[in-house]
Amino acid sequence: NAGVTQTPKFQVLKTGQSMTLQCAQDMNHNSMYWYRQDPGMGLRLIYYSASEGTTDKGEVPNGYNVSRLNKREFSLRLESAAPSQTSVYFCASSGTDKDEQFFGPGTRLTVL
Amino acid sequence: AQSVSQHNHHVILSEAASLELGCNYSYGGTVNLFWYVQYPGQHLQLLLKYFSGDPLVKGIKGFEAEFIKSKFSFNLRKPSVQWSDTAEYFCAVKPDSNYQLIWGAGTKLIIKP
Repeated sequence: NAGVTQTPKFQVLKTGQSMTLQCAQDMNHNSMYWYRQDPGMGLRLIYYSASEGTTDKGEVPNGYNVSRLNKREFSLRLESAAPSQTSVYFCASSGTDKDEQFFGPGTRLTVL
Repeated sequence: AQSVSQHNHHVILSEAASLELGCNYSYGGTVNLFWYVQYPGQHLQLLLKYFSGDPLVKGIKGFEAEFIKSKFSFNLRKPSVQWSDTAEYFCAVKPDSNYQLIWGAGTKLIIKP
């Protein structure tokens, strides 16, 4: 089992560029999440998907969009990147929203 | 607002010292509680969790945590730390009223060999 996979691992963007972060899980989980991690701030939830076809905003959704493509895949899109979006992005999944979450390896994004 | 507080942002210990990392949360209802660890350059991994039952839970690598409901606390402990425990530790709380995990800011633990 690969668990939760994310691509790319690293990315550098210029202000205003767009990109999509990909996430996939092979554990047949219903719930999937996108977080950003910034020094001293822990993890902040960007978007959440309880099940295929549903998405909800988290704590910091501005500047991001998501797509739950199917049960396995949950992508995060930055339409017009800003320096404030420089961060490490983690995707996670869980069986339900009550269960422990399993994390991917993260994407380190720098916006210049 | 619901929040999770981790009292120490940085902790430095020598090998074989005992460890206790504090975690307090602000929510009066039922909670699920988690400690995650992030080793340098790696993703977050679950150390241990509490859903119900015995408030003293044991996790991987010799870690344990005690849920004290009256104090809204879930402190992480290890009797004797090793250099390989150098990592960042996160406490997270799942209130029954909220689909979100509420995360603490993390504690960076450095173990001196």
